[in-house]
Amino acid sequence: GAGVSQSPSNKVTEKGKDVELRCDPISGHTALYWYRQSLGQGLEFLIYFQGNSAPDKSGLPSDRFSAERTGGSVSTLTIQRTQQEDSAVYLCASSLTGGKQETQYFGPGTRLLVL
Amino acid sequence: KNEVEQSPQNLTAQEGEFITINCSYSVGISALHWLQQHPGGGIVSLFMLSSGKKKHGRLIATINIQEKHSSLHITASHPRDSAVYICAVPRFGNEKLTFGTGTRLTIIP
Repeated sequence: GAGVSQSPSNKVTEKGKDVELRCDPISGHTALYWYRQSLGQGLEFLIYFQGNSAPDKSGLPSDRFSAERTGGSVSTLTIQRTQQEDSAVYLCASSLTGGKQETQYFGPGTRLLVL
Repeated sequence: KNEVEQSPQNLTAQEGEFITINCSYSVGISALHWLQQHPGGGIVSLFMLSSGKKKHGRLIATINIQEKHSSLHITASHPRDSAVYICAVPRFGNEKLTFGTGTRLTIIP
């Protein structure tokens, strides 16, 4: 079956522009996570969706970042007025119900470069 | 001090050697994840364990909850094992993962 997919795979944008990154989780997975991996840095949590619950946005670095998940499936991460420090690989993961002891399945990531 | 620390940061070994990567954490957890990130960037979940030991092929993961320590072992290492290995923990009451900085493993033929 299909895994987690993300698009675009690469995105180059100019400072100040808005970007949208898309994640398609595994069908039937109710939990969806966004993570970021900056160059030379480890992975960091951004936002978590579980079913119809309010998302956990505690990892979003600034109010320029937002995410939504429509119909409990596809998610879009939006970065407004991009800055050079936003350059990173943005990874999406999904799991079946979001339980603490569940495997998270990662997408291939979107590599964002802000010039 | 990071909540999740890994050692070593980099490890180079000859093909066939037994590999050990360590992870220590300072927060209470319900489970620990070991992930593998390939040179192309893709991440694969290797193990999720909450106690004892798990084995999958040549990979073995152990965890000691009391000592807040986990190890990932690779037996009969192979160049295709070259990757970054990352441990991650979901904090109590929270499903989001906190990640270690990773161990870059290079296996030389």
